[in-house]
Amino acid sequence: QKEVEQNSGPLSVPEGAIASLNCTYSDRGSQSFFWYRQYSGKSPELIMFIYSNGDKEDGRFTAQLNKASQYVSLLIRDSQPSDSATYLCAVNVGSSGSARQLTFGSGTQLTVLP
Amino acid sequence: DVKVTQSSRYLVKRTGEKVFLECVQDMDHENMFWYRQDPGLGLRLIYFSYDVKMKEKGDIPEGYSVSREKKERFSLILESASTNQTSMYLCASGQGGEQFFGPGTRLTVL
Repeated sequence: QKEVEQNSGPLSVPEGAIASLNCTYSDRGSQSFFWYRQYSGKSPELIMFIYSNGDKEDGRFTAQLNKASQYVSLLIRDSQPSDSATYLCAVNVGSSGSARQLTFGSGTQLTVLP
Repeated sequence: DVKVTQSSRYLVKRTGEKVFLECVQDMDHENMFWYRQDPGLGLRLIYFSYDVKMKEKGDIPEGYSVSREKKERFSLILESASTNQTSMYLCASGQGGEQFFGPGTRLTVL
């Protein structure tokens, strides 16, 4: 069964702190991993993707992947109130043509307190 | 900027009605997707298409069908709407793993 698990939260951190969001997946064959951010009442938008074990940094965001342990995480450094949103983890579970089928976790709601 | 548009933001239909949700993208993407989003369940894939006239079932295709006659347009059809199809419906298009989402259609079936 293909599953992606996230802590639903809510997760609250003070402004300037590091927010750590975690995701585990069940399909060992998964090859690519994505983090989407969804503001309340808005659509998801892609913020990070990672394919290889280790860390990938983009500004204040760092994605971490450990395929042996089947987890992927997102760290947000120097958290800002504007980072308050729901963060969705997505895992590629199959392909048809060039389309990659993603399975999404249920999301973690993050609140950054001023 | 990639733009994905959906035909309606809010829609109210009655049980048994046939419902069409349309999605148009302007970036010449090969791949298009239909999801529904429900509280606590996250985003679930209904159908996707990787080329004109090509479609693949996602995780929850029951009660839905799709049509893709042109590359830029992907339609979701509810043949006979039921109350358990009340949900937020999101269309996406993309290349590779990156998907761009439309604004969503909030469908209520009474």
